[in-house]
Amino acid sequence: GIQVEQSPPDLILQEGANSTLRCNFSDSVNNLQWFHQNPWGQLINLFYIPSGTKQNGRLSATTVATERYSLLYISSSQTTDSGVYFCAIIGTSGTYKYIFGTGTRLKVLA
Amino acid sequence: EAGVAQSPRYKIIEKRQSVAFWCNPISGHATLYWYQQILGQGPKLLIQFQNNGVVDDSQLPKDRFSAERLKGVDSTLKIQPAKLEDSAVYLCASSPRQGTTQYFGPGTRLLVL
Repeated sequence: GIQVEQSPPDLILQEGANSTLRCNFSDSVNNLQWFHQNPWGQLINLFYIPSGTKQNGRLSATTVATERYSLLYISSSQTTDSGVYFCAIIGTSGTYKYIFGTGTRLKVLA
Repeated sequence: EAGVAQSPRYKIIEKRQSVAFWCNPISGHATLYWYQQILGQGPKLLIQFQNNGVVDDSQLPKDRFSAERLKGVDSTLKIQPAKLEDSAVYLCASSPRQGTTQYFGPGTRLLVL
């Protein structure tokens, strides 16, 4: 089946720093979402981005479907950005099942 | 707009006991998902409903897990009997239709002793 890998697995930043998180997938995808799981376990939608670039405040995301990767950019990081970031994809096999990546655990220090 | 509701938020049971979780999706959302998230891992899809029909249950341990979505609205997930390895967070999500943006509930944290 399709594989979804995220890097780096762990990241520690000083408040105010910028970061780039990567999601690689092994096959063509129809859909891709980025989520933030906060320390209380709630999964929060960040972007629905099967292709192209989107921005929302300090966050932006780019998916290059032909090269099978997506990037999440966090600028001017804040302590509230801490948590785990997941990408989830739907492949082109005909099912509508989301497959989650391995996650990037981010800790932002004050 | 109300989000996805789940209850209970926490549950502690002993192995071999049974447990049930409830989920109410966002109004009008046709697709409902149940995920299991073990500590340190990403969510794994257990079952996906489109209205009240099952779309995918390939990763549901059917010997002990069951789920239903009567009337195509809220859903229950049951474990009977529970095993130690079932300790996890059970997440419910919904989307307007298959393949569109998912919205997650707060989850139910299960501990099996």
